[in-house]
Amino acid sequence: EPEVTQTPSHQVTQMGQEVILRCVPISNHLYFYWYRQILGQKVEFLVSFYNNEISEKSEIFDDQFSVERPDGSNFTLKIRSTKLEDSAMYFCASPGSSKETQYFGPGTRLLVL
Amino acid sequence: KQEVTQIPAALSVPEGENLVLNCSFTDSAIYNLQWFRQDPGKGLTSLLLIQSSQREQTSGRLNASLDKSSGRSTLYIAASQPGDSATYLCAVRKRDNYGQNFVFGPGTRLSVLP
Repeated sequence: EPEVTQTPSHQVTQMGQEVILRCVPISNHLYFYWYRQILGQKVEFLVSFYNNEISEKSEIFDDQFSVERPDGSNFTLKIRSTKLEDSAMYFCASPGSSKETQYFGPGTRLLVL
Repeated sequence: KQEVTQIPAALSVPEGENLVLNCSFTDSAIYNLQWFRQDPGKGLTSLLLIQSSQREQTSGRLNASLDKSSGRSTLYIAASQPGDSATYLCAVRKRDNYGQNFVFGPGTRLSVLP
C-alpha cells in the first residue's frame, strides 16, 4: 500500500495556541484530504485540497482552520487558536493511482489543554 | 445528508469463528463503498473496495458484499484469528471525482479471543 506520512505523531498544546500539522502525500499527487477523529467518535471529513485550492470542505472546517501547500511535497493543516474540543486524531489522506480510494496516514494525535 | 451506521458496535468471538459485520447507509446514490481496519491509536488500512456496480469483493478470508438499492453492505470474516482484533470501519463516497470525501460509519470493535 502506498505510504502517506504525517508529523508530528503527537502534539500537546495550550488552548489558544496555533498548531500546524504536516502531511507528505503519495508523491506527485496534487490532491489531499484532511479528516479528524475525536476519541470514541466517527472519522469526520474536514477538507479536500487540490493544487493550492480548497476543493470541498465540511461545516467543521471553519475560519480557525486553514490548509496550505508550502512546498512541492508537503501539505499542512493549521489551527489558528486551538480549543479544547479540537483534541482529536487528525488524518491526512492521498489518492492512489486512481480516484477510487484514498490512502490514509498514521495520524497526528492532538491534545489541547 | 448521508448517514452511515454499523452494527454491532462491538463483537467478541472465539478464535476460528466466522463472523459478519453490517453497514447501512441512508442515501443509495453512492459511487463506492470501502471497508477499513483501524488498530487502536493507529491510522486506517484499506481492506476492500466495492464499486457501486459490483455486488461483492474478496480478499483472502475477507468477503464484502454490497446491496446498493437497500443501502447495505456486509463484511464477512472467515476463520477469525486473534490478529483480526481491531475496529472495522465502513465508508461511502457519493461522487466520481477526486475531491469527494468518504463518509464513515462509527465502526465495529472486534475482539477475537484465543
